Amino acid sequence: NAGVTQTPKFRVLKTGQSMTLLCAQDMNHEYMYWYRQDPGMGLRLIHYSVGEGTTAKGEVPDGYNVSRLKKQNFLLGLESAAPSQTSVYFCASSTTRQGVRTEAFFGQGTRLTVV
Amino acid sequence: AQSVAQPEDQVNVAEGNPLTVKCTYSVSGNPYLFWYVQYPNRGLQFLLKYITGDNLVKGSYGFEAEFNKSQTSFHLKKPSALVSDSALYFCAVRDTGFQKLVFGTGTRLLVSP
Repeated sequence: NAGVTQTPKFRVLKTGQSMTLLCAQDMNHEYMYWYRQDPGMGLRLIHYSVGEGTTAKGEVPDGYNVSRLKKQNFLLGLESAAPSQTSVYFCASSTTRQGVRTEAFFGQGTRLTVV
Repeated sequence: AQSVAQPEDQVNVAEGNPLTVKCTYSVSGNPYLFWYVQYPNRGLQFLLKYITGDNLVKGSYGFEAEFNKSQTSFHLKKPSALVSDSALYFCAVRDTGFQKLVFGTGTRLLVSP
């Protein structure tokens, strides 16, 4: 049982390049999230999804797009990377048990540097 | 809008002493509260949660947290700190009416031998 897996773990991009971060979960969770972690700012929600085919904006969505074509996958795209997007990105998933949403399960993170 | 505050950037404690990491929250409905721990170069690991019921919640690795509705607080505690507890701790809240999980800025716990 792998839980939440993020690909890649590290990446260096040049300004203006594009890339996609992949998140995969094998727990059949309905909810999936993308966060970014920056020093002194904690984790900030970029986008989230409450189910296959649905996405919604979080606190800091600008410059990012997401897709949830399959329930187990949640993709985060950067169309034109900027140095301000240098960060550690975390994917998470959660579900509902007896009508109550559970805690979120996190991936190991992707460290992205934009130069 | 829901929010979480962790007023201390860092907490220092000697091994064997009790520790407290503070968290206060703001939500419009009933809160679901969580504590996570992050070790260097790792993802976040779930420690404990408060959904409803007993105000004292017990979690992993000997940690516990006390929910105080009147003070809107959810402080993390441990009776006897270990050096291995040194890590970054995050408090998070979810409002029952929202699907988003909002995190605090984190508190670095440093336990000295």
